[in-house]
Amino acid sequence: SAVISQKPSRDICQRGTSLTIQCQVDSQVTMMFWYRQQPGQSLTLIATANQGSEATYESGFVIDKFPISRPNLTFSTLTVSNMSPEDSSIYLCSVQSGRSGNTIYFGEGSWLTVV
Amino acid sequence: AQTVTQSQPEMSVQEAETVTLSCTYDTSESDYYLFWYKQPPSRQMILVIRQEAYKQQNATENRFSVNFQKAAKSFSLKISDSQLGDAAMYFCAYSIYNFNKFYFGSGTKLNVKP
Repeated sequence: SAVISQKPSRDICQRGTSLTIQCQVDSQVTMMFWYRQQPGQSLTLIATANQGSEATYESGFVIDKFPISRPNLTFSTLTVSNMSPEDSSIYLCSVQSGRSGNTIYFGEGSWLTVV
Repeated sequence: AQTVTQSQPEMSVQEAETVTLSCTYDTSESDYYLFWYKQPPSRQMILVIRQEAYKQQNATENRFSVNFQKAAKSFSLKISDSQLGDAAMYFCAYSIYNFNKFYFGSGTKLNVKP
C-alpha cells in the first residue's frame, strides 16, 4: 500500500484568503486525485492530477478556484482560492496504487474551516 | 450514469454480533471494481475490502466479507464478531477498470454497542 501524507491536517482560514494543501506519497504514482468531503456528506472528486499534464477537473470545479500542481510523481498540491464558508470541508488526496494499480489509497485529509 | 446507493444512513450492532451493510450500484460497464472504505472519526479513509467484477467468488478479509450479486448490482458488506473499533462511517465505492473515477455512496454510520 501507499503511505500518503497531507499538510495541513487542520486549519481555520479567513474568508477571501487562499490555502494550499500538500500531498506527499512514499512511492511514485501516476494518478493522484483530489476529493472534497463536505460536513456529513460523501466524497466528491474535484480533479485528477497526472504528472506532466494539466489537471482534469470534474463538473462544478474550475482551475481558478482549485489550482493544482503536480511537479513530480510523488507530490501534488491543491489550492483553495478566495475561500468562503461554503469551502469548509475535508479535502482528501488519494493515489492509485497496489498490485496491478487497482486500489485507491487516501491521505488522512485536511480539515478546513472558513470563518 | 454510474451511481452508488447506500440506503442505510445509520446502523447499530452489538459487540461480537454480525451486521450487514447494503450497497447497490448502477452501471452499464462489464469490467469494474467495487470497494468498501471505512472512515473513523480520525477522517482517514481506510480500504476494507475490494471485489473485482469478473470474479464470481466473494472477497473476504478476516472478519469482513462481501456478498456480490452482479446481476442484481448489489454489493453488501458483512462484519462478523463486531468490535468497538469497527464503529465508523462506511462508504461503498465503484470504479471502472482504469480507475479514472471513483463513485462513492452516501455512507452508512455504524455504531457498535458494548
